[in-house]
Amino acid sequence: QELLVQSGAEVKKPGASVKVSCRASGYTFSGNYIHWVRQAPGQGLEWMGWLNPNSNGGSSAQKFQGRVTMTSDTSISTAYLELTRLTSDDTAVYFCARVRFGSRSPYDGFDLWGQGTTVTVSA
Amino acid sequence: DIQMTQSPSTLSASVGDRVTITCRASQSMSNWLAWYQQKPGKAPKLLIYRASSLQTGVPSRFSGSGSGTEFTLTISSLQSDDFATYYCQQYHRDSTFGQGTRLEIK
Repeated sequence: QELLVQSGAEVKKPGASVKVSCRASGYTFSGNYIHWVRQAPGQGLEWMGWLNPNSNGGSSAQKFQGRVTMTSDTSISTAYLELTRLTSDDTAVYFCARVRFGSRSPYDGFDLWGQGTTVTVSA
Repeated sequence: DIQMTQSPSTLSASVGDRVTITCRASQSMSNWLAWYQQKPGKAPKLLIYRASSLQTGVPSRFSGSGSGTEFTLTISSLQSDDFATYYCQQYHRDSTFGQGTRLEIK
């Protein structure tokens, strides 16, 4: 069974950093691009960026550039999202998602999602 | 950035109804569009990719159409399991989601 399993909930203070992990199983992790999407409470989906697990290359939304780092460790089939200089506006559920299996592009539909990691930023 | 505008924001319908959700892009984007269904507390589920391709395992009552700047998601005969929030997503330049359409029971 193909799965993306994310790390547990985090509570952080403003100005801190958070690192969320996303472990893949049931498929070849290095074969598909990984994206990160977040969802603030009661709000819609917001795309953050994507990662090529093979090269650690990728791209992030302009809004997050300078604050976000996406990396991977193929030896343990895990992707990471690190977000720095947190504010209350970063309180959200963070999802990792896989580009549709078989797609050779970093951009396509996301056919497999993690369960989400709740990050709460509060003084 | 490409902005995606969904309409309506909320849609009330009954089991058996045919419903259509529209997504408009701020610039032309060929067919690089996906549709998702999300239920409370859950991750989104891919329904349609490349504007009109049905994702494996998704019931055939879901269909997508459009290209350029206007796209639609149609559910031909609503089932009780379909009441959820629906999002479009463009992936022509980076990626952007629409604001969502909440489909509720009339």
